[in-house]
Amino acid sequence: DIQMTQSPSSLSASVGDRVTITCRASQSISNYLHWYQHKPGKAPKVMIYAVSSLQSGVPSRFSGSGSGTDFTLTITSLQPEDFATYYCQQTYNIPFTFGPGTKVDIK
Amino acid sequence: EVQVVESGGGLVQPGGSLRLSCAASGFTLSRNWMTWVRQAPGKGLEWVANIKQDGSEKYYVDSVKGRFTISRDNAKNSLYLQMSSLTAEDTAMYHCARGQGWLDDWGQGTLVTVSS
Repeated sequence: DIQMTQSPSSLSASVGDRVTITCRASQSISNYLHWYQHKPGKAPKVMIYAVSSLQSGVPSRFSGSGSGTDFTLTITSLQPEDFATYYCQQTYNIPFTFGPGTKVDIK
Repeated sequence: EVQVVESGGGLVQPGGSLRLSCAASGFTLSRNWMTWVRQAPGKGLEWVANIKQDGSEKYYVDSVKGRFTISRDNAKNSLYLQMSSLTAEDTAMYHCARGQGWLDDWGQGTLVTVSS
């Protein structure tokens, strides 16, 4: 199975901050990498798919980059509604594994 | 509006069985791969299984192979997860989601608790 790691596991940030989350795959996954936002009690929501494509309706302050094994989710100018846990997921090989998550909370 | 609503969760004893359902609306189920994802208490998301549009292909994570069966009834716009030989490690919120690669639309989940 492809193992996904994320760093940091959690971070504290203020409204307006720039936030960067890193995801690493245990082998190359081409561009089969997606990012989700999950808030407690809510349905997870895809934010970025295929490394860098912004899902419809997602604010442009979210962006993704990377290739091969190393990927990044960036949130420029963090907003109150962005406080959540973010997961990366690979869909290169079954099982389609998720990273362990990065919790973004308020400083 | 796209909606995905899970049901069928509850408390079940170790070794027991449970069938989860997922009702889809706002999109044509028969045109989409569908997926089950779970989240154990205090843990992250875990991909469980997915199924092709016509049900001809099904894939599972190793930990549920031979115990869980994913199925669908496109005429009823419904997805199912039959779970058997349940253990405490299967305790989780189970989410239904639309998609094969990235998952476009998710439900809020149905909680399965395996305990005596």
